[in-house]
Amino acid sequence: DQQVKQNSPSLSVQEGRISILNCDYTNSMFDYFLWYKKYPAEGPTFLISISSIKDKNEDGRFTVFLNKSAKHLSLHIVPSQPGDSAVYFCAASPKDSNYQLIWGAGTKLIIKP
Amino acid sequence: DVKVTQSSRYLVKRTGEKVFLECVQDMDHENMFWYRQDPGLGLRLIYFSYDVKMKEKGDIPEGYSVSREKKERFSLILESASTNQTSMYLCASSFPPLDSSTRPPMGQPQHFGDGTRLSIL
Repeated sequence: DQQVKQNSPSLSVQEGRISILNCDYTNSMFDYFLWYKKYPAEGPTFLISISSIKDKNEDGRFTVFLNKSAKHLSLHIVPSQPGDSAVYFCAASPKDSNYQLIWGAGTKLIIKP
Repeated sequence: DVKVTQSSRYLVKRTGEKVFLECVQDMDHENMFWYRQDPGLGLRLIYFSYDVKMKEKGDIPEGYSVSREKKERFSLILESASTNQTSMYLCASSFPPLDSSTRPPMGQPQHFGDGTRLSIL
C-alpha cells in the first residue's frame, strides 16, 4: 500500500506555462515533505521542501503548497522552461521517525517548446 | 559541491554471484543511504548508516547487507544475486539531524550519486 502517491506518471506542458505536479499521502503522521528532481542517468537532486506547520513555501519559480486536510501537496513551476523536463519525486517523513523517508513513484514532466 | 560517487554506472552479474556496489562521498557526511529505484515504485530504502560501523535496516533489506568501515565509504552487498534484484541502485549521503526530533529529517537534503544500473542474468 503506497503511502505517497503521484497519480500522474507523466505530464506535458507548454514552455512558459505553469506546471502543476500533484502528490497525495495517506499517513497523517507525515509532517515534512520534499520534492526532488531527477534527470536521466543522474541521481535525484533536492528541489524544495515544506513543513506541516506551513501551507506554502516558495523558492524562485518553484512553489509547494500543502493542504493537510486533503492530505495533498502540489509543486507549481512558473514559468516552465525546457530544462525543467525531468522526473519529479515527492517524498514524506513521519514525525516519529527521523530516518524514514517515503517516496512517491515519480511524475515525468515534459516541457514542449 | 558535494560529490557522491558510485563505482559503476552499469553492471551485469549472474544469478548466485556475490555483488559489491561501492559508494564514496567527499563531504564528511555522517549519514549514508542505499536505495533501489524501480518503475512505478519510486525509491525504496534498503539500508542506511548514521556513523562508521553503524547500520540500520530500511524498508527492503532482505537479500542485502552493507558495510561502513570508513566514514566516506558505504558498500552494498548482494549476498547471492537473484534476478529480482535487477534494478537501479542509488547511494545518498547527508549531515545528521541535531536530535531525533529535528526537522528537516535525515539531515535533508540528501545528496545522491548517479546510480548503478545492475542487471542480474
